[in-house]
Amino acid sequence: EPEVTQTPSHQVTQMGQEVILRCVPISNHLYFYWYRQILGQKVEFLVSFYNNEISEKSEIFDDQFSVERPDGSNFTLKIRSTKLEDSAMYFCASTGGEVRSYNSPLHFGNGTRLTVT
Amino acid sequence: QQQVKQSPQSLIVQKGGISIINCAYENTAFDYFPWYQQFPGKGPALLIAIRPDVSEKKEGRFTISFNKSAKQFSLHIMDSQPGDSATYFCASRAGNNRKLIWGLGTSLAVNP
Repeated sequence: EPEVTQTPSHQVTQMGQEVILRCVPISNHLYFYWYRQILGQKVEFLVSFYNNEISEKSEIFDDQFSVERPDGSNFTLKIRSTKLEDSAMYFCASTGGEVRSYNSPLHFGNGTRLTVT
Repeated sequence: QQQVKQSPQSLIVQKGGISIINCAYENTAFDYFPWYQQFPGKGPALLIAIRPDVSEKKEGRFTISFNKSAKQFSLHIMDSQPGDSATYFCASRAGNNRKLIWGLGTSLAVNP
């Protein structure tokens, strides 16, 4: 079964550094998402991406965050200047091989654990 | 504002018992209600989902019960097994808005 893959599985960085989290969504999916989860707490929506542009973002997704789909397969999340409170599990998800399939399931990757020291 | 309220926060069930997790929502525009299962170190995985035109959906040992008037839905795990031990999240979504609103999660432990 196709799956969403994320790299790296664990990233440690110093406060103020830039990090790029990488994701390869399922190949025929059209909608891409980043979510984060702080220490086993609830899953928080960050951003959704469709047709090469952001379709929605949360208040968490401020100017320090950006997303990109550089080559048609990868989907990246960049944090420009990391803060301690950015430490979390970051999950990429994809869905929607069909148009108007708004209740098609989200497929999640296994996440990248980001630790900011 | 917590739009999807999930309870209990944690649950311990004996093997063979029934696990019940409840969620309540506020937005009457929500029309898609999935449950996700998450094992440690893994991403959430869709377990079962329901739309509000039915009151119950069953897939194997997992059942969603939906009460539209009360704006509540629940997950029932029949014959709970130790392998069901995981965190369960309810979620909701409205119409063409693909953003899921998540509950806070329930940590289920099934004792052998």
